[in-house]
Formats: sequence, structure tokens, C-alpha cells
Amino acid sequence: GQNIDQPTEMTATEGAIVQINCTYQTSGFNGLFWYQQHAGEAPTFLSYNVLDGLEEKGRFSSFLSRSKGYSYLLLKELQMKDSASYLCAVMDSNYQLIWGAGTKLIIKP
Amino acid sequence: IAGITQAPTSQILAAGRRMTLRCTQDMRHNAMYWYRQDLGLGLRLIHYSNTAGTTGKGEVPDGYSVSRANTDDFPLTLASAVPSQTSVYFCASSEREGPDTQYFGPGTRLTVL
Repeated sequence: GQNIDQPTEMTATEGAIVQINCTYQTSGFNGLFWYQQHAGEAPTFLSYNVLDGLEEKGRFSSFLSRSKGYSYLLLKELQMKDSASYLCAVMDSNYQLIWGAGTKLIIKP
Repeated sequence: IAGITQAPTSQILAAGRRMTLRCTQDMRHNAMYWYRQDLGLGLRLIHYSNTAGTTGKGEVPDGYSVSRANTDDFPLTLASAVPSQTSVYFCASSEREGPDTQYFGPGTRLTVL
């Protein structure tokens, strides 16, 4: 079966750095997406990785290792507004997104 | 530019009733999707449409139907609602099928009693 694993919840301090991990087992791979979802709102796109390595976009970076079935999202200089759920999703061989359950990130002052 | 709109925002429905969730996008995107989101689970794809006039089944299509008469609209119908269909429903669109960013509507919170 297809599976995406990510931690259920993480806590971090304002101004710090946090890394959210995602491991996956899917039938085929056509890229990995990270989305942010604030409570009661729609998911919004953060990043897309299809090749191994690190993609940096401002305070957010995303890393992919296809051989290990592993990705992480790195958030730097955390702000209170970063409190949200972070969703990892893999596009499979049928070009359908398989989603993890999300990691709820709690930022404390 | 509104992006994607969904209606209603929320609805309480008696079991056995028919219900259509509406989704409209103004970005002229070719591909559209319907997901449900349940606590503790990832988003699950119900149905999708790669272009106007075509539809396909996702991971959890049973009890749902869709149509894509034009580019902008992608309604989702529950023919006879059951309590297990209580969920938050998100419509999404992407410019093309395949590995492209999906943009989500605000969601419809549906409760079936």
C-alpha cells in the first residue's frame, strides 16, 4: 500500500528553527509537495521537490532524498504566524497526490 | 480575482438526502479535484477531472458523483448522504494535470445526521 508518515505534533519556540520530517512509500514518484494549513482554512502551497537536494525559499527550505523515501521541511526564524499544520504529499505513478495526515506545529513565545 | 469558491460554507444534512457541493474557479485551470479531510487522516481524493468533459475516480469515490460540463465548474453530488460522509470537503484546481501546484478552495464543512 501507499503510505506517508509524518509526526502528529511538534512544538518550537519563536525565533528558533524546526525540521518536520516526512517518509513515504508510494507506487511511483512524481514529486513531493509541502503545504501549510492554518486551522479552519484551506491548504496553501509551500514547496515542490522532484530531484534530490535542498530547495530554499526564504525562511522555508525543503529537502528530498528519493533513495531513502525521505523529505523534510525546515522552518527558520519561527514566527507565531507559522503555527499551523504542515502537510506532506507525494504524487504517485497515476499523478494523484497521496497525503500525510499532517504535522501540527505549535509555536511558543 | 476570487480563485476558487465553494458553496455552501457549511451544511447540516439528514441521512438519505441528496446534496450538491458547488465549486467554481476563475483561473481557467484545466484540472480540478475533490478531496475530503477527516481528523487524523490525510486528504483523500474523491474524484478528479483533467479537463472539461472528463472525470475520473480517486481513492474514495463510492457514494459521490461529479460532472465537468465546462472549465470553471466542478460540482460534487452525494446521492443519498450517510453519516460517514461527515467531513470537510475541499475543491482544488491546477493549471494542468500531473505534477503541478494545486490551489484549494475554502472548503465545505458537511455534517450528516
